[in-house]
Amino acid sequence: SQQGEEDPQALSIQEGENATMNCSYKTSINNLQWYRQNSGRGLVHLILIRSNEREKHSGRLRVTLDTSKKSSSLLITASRAADTASYFCATDAKGGGGSNYKLTFGKGTLLTVNP
Amino acid sequence: DGGITQSPKYLFRKEGQNVTLSCEQNLNHDAMYWYRQDPGQGLRLIYYSQIVNDFQKGDIAEGYSVSREKKESFPLTVTSAQKNPTAFYLCASKWLSGNTIYFGEGSWLTVV
Repeated sequence: SQQGEEDPQALSIQEGENATMNCSYKTSINNLQWYRQNSGRGLVHLILIRSNEREKHSGRLRVTLDTSKKSSSLLITASRAADTASYFCATDAKGGGGSNYKLTFGKGTLLTVNP
Repeated sequence: DGGITQSPKYLFRKEGQNVTLSCEQNLNHDAMYWYRQDPGQGLRLIYYSQIVNDFQKGDIAEGYSVSREKKESFPLTVTSAQKNPTAFYLCASKWLSGNTIYFGEGSWLTVV
């Protein structure tokens, strides 16, 4: 079962613009993470936000988490052509630590940044 | 270099044949995972292992098998029982105490 659902499915913007992607999930979580995937490659971890955090920054990335709405957003500021990739949110269910730890991924948002 | 190595990158299989995808990591990670990704879709968990000689089924384990005889290795066998095996397969690993999962570069499997 897929826990997270990203929105929109695809997003096309011009270089320099900001890109915002959203993720909704269904059950209580410990953490929410965002990953990036270039076409045909593995996923790369971008940022993790814990369930008791509301906002986190890393370089040009800003992540928010609203546990009451079970949603998160990823903002990429001043986008570049090199940011073109698919972006996935991933959650680990509350109580699912230790030997039960597993991440559940959404379907992703395909971001295209046009030069 | 430290990392997760998947091989082969591209694999073609005839219907009815079993095929094994290799995954090796030298990060000293405890846990290892196999995910399947269909075009334009998210990742679905096939199997995962937190410790040597132990593994658990994920959401779509039917038609797949794994082994974990060594900490650094977690091969995935796609059996003939898997009806739609054509997909992109991703291996991943992490430390037991950590939250971040690290991925290999993936293997493309095509049934011909």
